Amino acid sequence: DIQMTQSPSTLSASVGDRVTITCRASQIITTWLAWYQQKPGKAPKLLIYQVSTLQSGVPSRFSGSRSGTEFTLTISSLQPDDFATYYCQQYNTYPWTFGQGTKVEIK
Amino acid sequence: QLQLQESGPGLVKPSETLSLTCTVSGGSITSYTHYWGWIRQPPGKGLEWIGSILYSGSTFYNPSLQSRLTISLDTSKNQFSLKLSSVTAADTAVYYCARDRPNDYWGQGTLVTVSS
Repeated sequence: DIQMTQSPSTLSASVGDRVTITCRASQIITTWLAWYQQKPGKAPKLLIYQVSTLQSGVPSRFSGSRSGTEFTLTISSLQPDDFATYYCQQYNTYPWTFGQGTKVEIK
Repeated sequence: QLQLQESGPGLVKPSETLSLTCTVSGGSITSYTHYWGWIRQPPGKGLEWIGSILYSGSTFYNPSLQSRLTISLDTSKNQFSLKLSSVTAADTAVYYCARDRPNDYWGQGTLVTVSS
């Protein structure tokens, strides 16, 4: 299986901060990388797919990028609604695998 | 707007078979060249992809569950289903159905507890 190593596991930040979450793949996954946001008791919500394509309706403060096998989710200016847990997922090679998650907390 | 809804027992006994159904509304399950998948999340833990089925019926399973897993389509009811046999407490989780690759539409999730 492809391992997705996500960091940090927890992040404390304030409203307005620029936040970066990283995911490293254990193998090449080309562009088949997605990011999800999950709030307590809710299903995950797709934010970004194919590394950097914003899902319809997702605010433009979210962006994704790639450098080799390292992928980054950036929130340019953290908003109160953004405090949640974020997961990366590779869907290049079966089985699809998720990162361990990053919980973004209020500082 | 596509909507997905899981249904099935919330409590399953150890060694028995967990069965869940996902009903898709807002579009035909065969009109999309998409996969339809299952993902689970043990309480307080991360996400695990279980498997998916293509609109044509081809299936793709997580090797860690493959020996116990069956995913099928019922096109007449616009549904797809999950069966996981010989369950243990480790299979206790919230089970989600979702359109797959990537998972852009999700059901709300259903908690399945394995306990006697």
